[in-house]
Amino acid sequence: EAGVTQFPSHSVIEKGQTVTLRCDPISGHDNLYWYRRVMGKEIKFLLHFVKESKQDESGMPNNRFLAERTGGTYSTLKVQPAELEDSGVYFCASSQARTSGGVQETQYFGPGTRLLVL
Amino acid sequence: AQSVTQLGSHVSVSEGALVLLRCNYSSSVPPYLFWYVQYPNQGLQLLLKYTSAATLVKGINGFEAEFKKSETSFHLTKPSAHMSDAAEYFCAVSKGAAGNKLTFGGGTRVLVKP
Repeated sequence: EAGVTQFPSHSVIEKGQTVTLRCDPISGHDNLYWYRRVMGKEIKFLLHFVKESKQDESGMPNNRFLAERTGGTYSTLKVQPAELEDSGVYFCASSQARTSGGVQETQYFGPGTRLLVL
Repeated sequence: AQSVTQLGSHVSVSEGALVLLRCNYSSSVPPYLFWYVQYPNQGLQLLLKYTSAATLVKGINGFEAEFKKSETSFHLTKPSAHMSDAAEYFCAVSKGAAGNKLTFGGGTRVLVKP
């Protein structure tokens, strides 16, 4: 079974440009999460999709970030326009639908996209 | 709000020695606790998780962690370090049923000396 994949693995762009990151979750996983790790800091939650709906986007830094998950399959995270502080590693994770009783499902992470804004 | 503190951003251990990585959490509800490992150029891999069953949790690669509610801790241990354990380790907490997002600690990078 294929794991969570992310594209591109690395991206170097200039301030003011636009970048789109893509995440393909494990097939059949309804939950999709985006996280970000800025250099020297902890990994922080950005948002959570359940199928195509945004369940929680409380971690999105500002309106320069736009996440979509059309059809409930893959997701994209667009940064427009990119700023220097957006540099970091963007992780995507997916998990199956919540079990009865609400037991926490394991989140499976992709390898991340390393974004550098110059 | 939940938070996680990992004591020590870098830990150096000798091959064959005990690995001990410390994690303390704060949570307003009974937590779900996780340890993830990131090997170079790879994604995060789940080592083990605590979901209110047994307080001593065994994971992959010989790691285990003990949930201590009174100390709000979930320290990770391995009796004998191997060179392949060199990686970065992350402790994380979740509210579980109330919301599945993970709150991570700052990570601990482990160096294993021969």
